Amino acid sequence: EAGVTQFPSHSVIEKGQTVTLRCDPISGHDNLYWYRRVMGKEIKFLLHFVKESKQDESGMPNNRFLAERTGGTYSTLKVQPAELEDSGVYFCASSQDFARSQYFGPGTRLTVT
Amino acid sequence: DAKTTQPNSMESNEEEPVHLPCNHSTISGTDYIHWYRQLPSQGPEYVIHGLTSNVNNRMASLAIAEDRKSSTLILHRATLRDAAVYYCILGYNQGGKLIFGQGTELSVKP
Repeated sequence: EAGVTQFPSHSVIEKGQTVTLRCDPISGHDNLYWYRRVMGKEIKFLLHFVKESKQDESGMPNNRFLAERTGGTYSTLKVQPAELEDSGVYFCASSQDFARSQYFGPGTRLTVT
Repeated sequence: DAKTTQPNSMESNEEEPVHLPCNHSTISGTDYIHWYRQLPSQGPEYVIHGLTSNVNNRMASLAIAEDRKSSTLILHRATLRDAAVYYCILGYNQGGKLIFGQGTELSVKP
């Protein structure tokens, strides 16, 4: 069984540009989560999808971040325009239901210069 | 959000047991206790979870205090591959989101 995959593994962009991160959850997992770790800080929750619906987006930092999960399969996280403080590692996780263990992807390292 | 307290770092020798403590004095009755770990350059990985009773799986054991205000993750025989940051997390009464703290960085000496 394939695990959670994320693309790209690493992205370097300039301040003001747009970047889109993609997450493919484990097949059959309705729950999809985005987290991020910015430099020197703890891993922080961003948002939670149940199928294509946003269940909890309380961790989204501001309106420069847009997450989608069309069709309830893969998800994208767009940052537009990117700022220096957005640099960090973005993790995606999926689970069968919210009470089950979460399986994390390897993360996307975003560097904004 | 209920908080957990863990030591910043611990050391262990290879092949020896490791006991990783976690305090969670503000835990609610419905909070599960989860442990995840993060190996270098990887995403977090589920280790174990429990509610009231002690739990065992192929990776580790979880010992939960009777008052549930603390717990201990037990690695029975540490290997070099167990070197990681271990996170004790309370959930899922918050709809599934995991709230990570600083975790305990475990180093394993050969």
